[in-house]
Amino acid sequence: KQEVTQIPAALSVPEGENLVLNCSFTDSAIYNLQWFRQDPGKGLTSLLLIQSSQREQTSGRLNASLDKSSGRSTLYIAASQPGDSATYLCAVKGDVSNFGNEKLTFGTGTRLTIIP
Amino acid sequence: DAGVIQSPRHEVTEMGQEVTLRCKPISGHNSLFWYRQTMMRGLELLIYFNNNVPIDDSGMPEDRFSAKMPNASFSTLKIQPSEPRDSAVYFCASSHGTGVGYTFGSGTRLTVV
Repeated sequence: KQEVTQIPAALSVPEGENLVLNCSFTDSAIYNLQWFRQDPGKGLTSLLLIQSSQREQTSGRLNASLDKSSGRSTLYIAASQPGDSATYLCAVKGDVSNFGNEKLTFGTGTRLTIIP
Repeated sequence: DAGVIQSPRHEVTEMGQEVTLRCKPISGHNSLFWYRQTMMRGLELLIYFNNNVPIDDSGMPEDRFSAKMPNASFSTLKIQPSEPRDSAVYFCASSHGTGVGYTFGSGTRLTVV
């Protein structure tokens, strides 16, 4: 059974700093990995999607990397801003060679606070 | 595109009452997912449909929960009878292929008193 872990559970950093959020998963047979952002009381917003054949994806100040063999992904946020404060979740989709593996397994998230 | 639409946004009901949550996926998406989020357990998949057919309902907590997808543009999640421990945020999500990501709705916050 796939398990996804995110450490730390919470992180506070001063505005302007670069930071890295970590995600690890136990079963390397994944199809893709997705990073989401969730603001308090809101739904999930997709940030980046990395296919299993890719090593990284970039969008603006965000860069996500994937090391499938070691079961790790990182989300790098450059020049952090107070508006980046939110909970960040990673989720993995199983290998679709296994029928029915469309579902995502989520980590518990990292709550990020950017201090002005 | 209006995204995944869920209704109602908030629901407060008394224990024992029937609750129905609704979801309209993005047009053209062929997979639909129902998730539940609580502080204790995080996000849990309840059930998902592919081409309107339930594929995996192993996450449905018990027989009080049921889900239907009568057509490609509508799904419901029903709880009957509801209990206080069902209080959570229920999310619906859809996707249109194995190579792409999910789009989530804004969720329904359910409170059972």
